[in-house]
Formats: sequence, structure tokens, C-alpha cells
Amino acid sequence: DVKVTQSSRYLVKRTGEKVFLECVQDMDHENMFWYRQDPGLGLRLIYFSYDVKMKEKGDIPEGYSVSREKKERFSLILESASTNQTSMYLCASNHRAGGAYNEQFFGPGTRLTVL
Amino acid sequence: QQQVKQSPQSLIVQKGGIPIINCAYENTAFDYFPWYQQFPGKGPALLIAIRPDVSEKKEGRFTISFNKSAKQFSLHIMDSQPGDSATYFCAASFNNQGGKLIFGQGTELSVKP
Repeated sequence: DVKVTQSSRYLVKRTGEKVFLECVQDMDHENMFWYRQDPGLGLRLIYFSYDVKMKEKGDIPEGYSVSREKKERFSLILESASTNQTSMYLCASNHRAGGAYNEQFFGPGTRLTVL
Repeated sequence: QQQVKQSPQSLIVQKGGIPIINCAYENTAFDYFPWYQQFPGKGPALLIAIRPDVSEKKEGRFTISFNKSAKQFSLHIMDSQPGDSATYFCAASFNNQGGKLIFGQGTELSVKP
């Protein structure tokens, strides 16, 4: 059974803090993704990674960075949190083989509030 | 060109009704169109998917209708149940995008008993 876990379900931070969101998958997937989910805007891709130490910008990378030091772990970093980064953050993973036709498996999400 | 537009944003139906959620796209290179279902407090999960070489796909009570010429696709839920209440996302991709998906804006469906 595929499992994608995220380090926190709820997080409250202050403006200017450095924030780390962690994601771990147990299915040996090559690809990992970070999205943010906002009402009326759907899921927007922040960053993704095809392999260890590989990363590519998604549609809204500004204000975020990522780290992938191990295949199973993908971290999202908010260098200096701002109130407009209050959102639900979702991590997902899938196999590279088969390209787009591979199902993405999502974690339960982290609800981040920046005060 | 990379957008997928989804409507309506929210939908309320009575039990047994047939909610229909619509999506439209511009990029004719898209060749994979999945629908994801998200329950409150959970991450989205794949519900059903279609490729543009077929016009319809059914899985249980869920049907995707695909209109390639109109660049539109839709999700129909037959005999809807309160347990179908969730947020539904359409998405699109093409194979050399390396597994990336472009999601629609989401539809919050409520099925009343």
C-alpha cells in the first residue's frame, strides 16, 4: 500500500520564520512534487524532483526552495514565511517510467498558517 | 495554453442525482486526462482517467466523457450518494512532461440525503 507522509498536519508560524515541510514516500518513486492548494485556484505546482539532488521549478516557485538528499524524502523550505504563504501544502510522488500515465499519490497535506 | 479550466466551483445535488463537472483545455498536446477525488482532511486520490483516443470511459458509477474537437471533458456521477461528497479535480498532462499534471480549479460537490 503506497504511503506518502507529511511531517505535520497543522503548522502555525510567524512572518519571517524559516519553515520546513517534510515529505516521505515508501514506494521507491523517482518523482516527487510539492503543491499548494487554495480555494478556487486548485492545485498549483511549486517544485518537483525527478531524482535525488534534482529539482525543477513549477508554476509558483517564488518564495520557496526544496531539498532532496534521499530518494524517499523531499523537503519544502519557506526561507522567510509571509502571510500570503498561508495555505494547504500537498506532497505527491510517482514513478518516472510511463511518464504522465503514472498515478500521483498524495500525502494528507499540511495546513500552514503564517501570522 | 497550459491551463485547465474547471466548472462549476461548487455543486449541490440530491441523492440519486447526476452531478456533472466540466473541464476545458487549450493545449492539444495533452494526452492524459485524470480526475482526482479529495475528501476533507485527505490528499487527492486518482478516481478515473482517460486518453483522447476514446470518447467515454466508465468505472462503476463514474463516467468521463471526452470531446476532442471541443477540447472538453467532463465527469458524470450516476446515482450520486452522500459518500460522494468531496472535492473533484480534473487534470491534464502529456507524456514527456515527466509525470507532471496541470490541475483544474476544483469542484466542491455536496450530495444531500
